[in-house]
Amino acid sequence: SAVISQKPSRDICQRGTSLTIQCQVDSQVTMMFWYRQQPGQSLTLIATANQGSEATYESGFVIDKFPISRPNLTFSTLTVSNMSPEDSSIYLCSVGGLGSFGSGTRLTVV
Amino acid sequence: GENVEQHPSTLSVQEGDSAVIKCTYSDSASNYFPWYKQELGKRPQLIIDIRSNVGEKKDQRIAVTLNKTAKHFSLHITETQPEDSAVYFCAASINRGSTLGRLYFGRGTQLTVWP
Repeated sequence: SAVISQKPSRDICQRGTSLTIQCQVDSQVTMMFWYRQQPGQSLTLIATANQGSEATYESGFVIDKFPISRPNLTFSTLTVSNMSPEDSSIYLCSVGGLGSFGSGTRLTVV
Repeated sequence: GENVEQHPSTLSVQEGDSAVIKCTYSDSASNYFPWYKQELGKRPQLIIDIRSNVGEKKDQRIAVTLNKTAKHFSLHITETQPEDSAVYFCAASINRGSTLGRLYFGRGTQLTVWP
């Protein structure tokens, strides 16, 4: 399965600021997925990132809050904008149904 | 869209006993069913998966069964050990050829194995 490198692994951010999370895959993939895992909860899909087109967002997530870039078939970024303490979560990227996840980004907003 | 239900939410067993976690799914098009183990503070780790053309798969102490007709799949852990204690998530997705679909997750099961 694909090897996914994600960074940063963790960060503590001030409310009102933005954080960009990067995800690099060791092979070309059509779709990349961004998930959020709030404390004690399951994983929730934020959006699907296709190369060459706009990301598709799930209900409850909007592009202004979570802009995504997908410049090529091996790389994607997720930005968490104008952060509040409610954004404190683990953010994970994935390459879909074969089960690989990045190492995750543990975000704490203070 | 797909809906994955997972039961139980918590499970406590004695070391050496077996543990079974069950999931159901709603979309008959789903064809890939992974199970993840997540230890505290770590990312989910894939422990076993099964595709819809297979009814059962085993890897040492871990096995997964799939009943496509009933749309349910289960994780079986035998001879449990304290290090099996973690949160387990089931998931389902639709993979079409080289197009890998998103994962729909169950709510998770907190497994505790008492020594």
